[in-house]
Amino acid sequence: NAGVTQTPKFRILKIGQSMTLQCAQDMNHNYMYWYRQDPGMGLKLIYYSVGAGITDKGEVPNGYNVSRSTTEDFPLRLELAAPSQTSVYFCASRSGLNSNQPQHFGDGTRLSIL
Amino acid sequence: QKEVEQDPGPLSVPEGAIVSLNCTYSNSAFQYFMWYRQYSRKGPELLMYTYSSGNKEDGRFTAQVDKSSKYISLFIRDSQPSDSATYLCALFSGGYQKVTFGTGTKLQVIP
Repeated sequence: NAGVTQTPKFRILKIGQSMTLQCAQDMNHNYMYWYRQDPGMGLKLIYYSVGAGITDKGEVPNGYNVSRSTTEDFPLRLELAAPSQTSVYFCASRSGLNSNQPQHFGDGTRLSIL
Repeated sequence: QKEVEQDPGPLSVPEGAIVSLNCTYSNSAFQYFMWYRQYSRKGPELLMYTYSSGNKEDGRFTAQVDKSSKYISLFIRDSQPSDSATYLCALFSGGYQKVTFGTGTKLQVIP
């Protein structure tokens, strides 16, 4: 019972590099989310998806892109890494069968941009 | 005014103490209330979930919601060193609406 799996756990990037943060869930959840967590700032929503092929912006989408080609996977893409994107990134999912169910989180990707 | 206010702490208590963690909110549309526990270098883990005013108990944990005062609490009885973590409150109005998180309270239980 893996739940929400995020890879990699840790990564260092140089300014201007690109990378994809992977997120997969095995609970057949329709809704998936990407958050970033900065010290003292709580969780900020970057992008979310309500099902395969459907994505939408959250509070802080600039500098990021997402895609949702399958129910299971929701990758987050950084095209031109900037120091302001140094953060811990969390992926979450929840069931769409009952739209009021809470979210379940992965263990995060720690990203440093130097 | 922030939608959700949560004291960041840190809060240090001796083992066995009763801990009270709180959040206040301003949006009366919030109907669903959650508490997450987050250990260092881990993702938030759902601890309690409730959608009505009153109390909900699960073992040593009690979640309390007062919608009239827009105030939610998490009580931990007989606190243990393993309870040392950051506790986040989370609220949403249901359906497609986004979840709003508090900034978290860091708790340390000293043996």
